[in-house]
Amino acid sequence: DAGVTQSPTHLIKTRGQHVTLRCSPISGHKSVSWYQQVLGQGPQFIFQYYEKEERGRGNFPDRFSARQFPNYSSELNVNALLLGDSALYLCASSPRLVVTYNEQFFGPGTRLTVL
Amino acid sequence: SQQGEEDPQALSIQEGENATMNCSYKTSINNLQWYRQNSGRGLVHLILIRSNEREKHSGRLRVTLDTSKKSSSLLITASRAADTASYFCATALNTGNQFYFGTGTSLTVIP
Repeated sequence: DAGVTQSPTHLIKTRGQHVTLRCSPISGHKSVSWYQQVLGQGPQFIFQYYEKEERGRGNFPDRFSARQFPNYSSELNVNALLLGDSALYLCASSPRLVVTYNEQFFGPGTRLTVL
Repeated sequence: SQQGEEDPQALSIQEGENATMNCSYKTSINNLQWYRQNSGRGLVHLILIRSNEREKHSGRLRVTLDTSKKSSSLLITASRAADTASYFCATALNTGNQFYFGTGTSLTVIP
């Protein structure tokens, strides 16, 4: 079975632009969470979606939004990019709504560079 | 601020030696998990220890949890060059549905 997949692998944008990152969870997993990992730091929670509904949101500005599709894949959108948005964006999938009781399965990430 | 803090930030050892890294956290937890990350790529789950457990083993990994001190340690025995990676602890609180990751320990195992 394929693991969590993310696209693109790398992305370079300029300040003020918009970006869309994509994630496909493991087959059968209905929960997708997004994390931002700035260089040298641990991942920080952005969103969790389960059954196409937002179930959790971290401390990120409204420039960050996400959605989940009927096939449980997900998109993370970031508007009006800032230099500080440069980071590795990780997607994690889980079969359950409550993700914290068990392990999450992470994708390889999308490396976003904002110039 | 992040819930967990790992110590040390960086660790360099010879192959065959044991590696110990520690994680401290701030509030009561439901469970604590350790993850490994190679070269800024995705995280791989290593082990989960619940708040009512004190010690857990998985292969060459041994994790302890001391809820009174709000700390956990990860021991990797007989380290190998392939263990070179960053290791993160992630805490899950009793409320909410998100993990809080620490800042990570960068482990280098010298062949």
